[in-house]
Amino acid sequence: KQEVTQIPAALSVPEGENLVLNCSFTDSAIYNLQWFRQDPGKGLTSLLLIQSSQREQTSGRLNASLDKSSGRSTLYIAASQPGDSATYLCAVDPGNTPLVFGKGTRLSVIA
Amino acid sequence: GAGVSQSPSNKVTEKGKDVELRCDPISGHTALYWYRQSLGQGLEFLIYFQGNSAPDKSGLPSDRFSAERTGGSVSTLTIQRTQQEDSAVYLCASSRGLDEKLFFGSGTQLSVL
Repeated sequence: KQEVTQIPAALSVPEGENLVLNCSFTDSAIYNLQWFRQDPGKGLTSLLLIQSSQREQTSGRLNASLDKSSGRSTLYIAASQPGDSATYLCAVDPGNTPLVFGKGTRLSVIA
Repeated sequence: GAGVSQSPSNKVTEKGKDVELRCDPISGHTALYWYRQSLGQGLEFLIYFQGNSAPDKSGLPSDRFSAERTGGSVSTLTIQRTQQEDSAVYLCASSRGLDEKLFFGSGTQLSVL
């Protein structure tokens, strides 16, 4: 059974700092991996989707990497801003079955 | 519509009552998912619809939970004889197909008193 773990559960950084969020999964046989953002009281917004054949995806200040063999993904946020404060969730697509989500990392960027 | 729409946004009910939660997916999206998010927990998969195929109900926690999708579009999640442990945010998502990017609604916050 696929399990997804995100560490740390919460993170607080000063504005302007670069940061890395970690995601690990137990079964390397995945179709793709997605990173989502969730603001309080809101649904999830997809940030980046990395196919299993890819190593990384970039969108603006966000960069997500994927190392399938070691069961790891990272989300790198450059020059963090208070508006980046949210919960970030990692989800693994095992292929032909629904996504398996981690519990998320709650990020606070302090001005 | 422009995005996934869920209603109501909040629902307070008494233990033992039935509730219906509605989801309007993005037009043209063939896949529709229901997830549940409890305080401090990750997203728990409930049920998944893909086109005209039989739904994947493997995540439904008990037979008090059921869902249907009419005409390949709107979906309703029904919880019968609600219990306090059913209190959670119920999230709906849709996608163009399986293994495609998911688009989520804002969720329904269900509180069972």
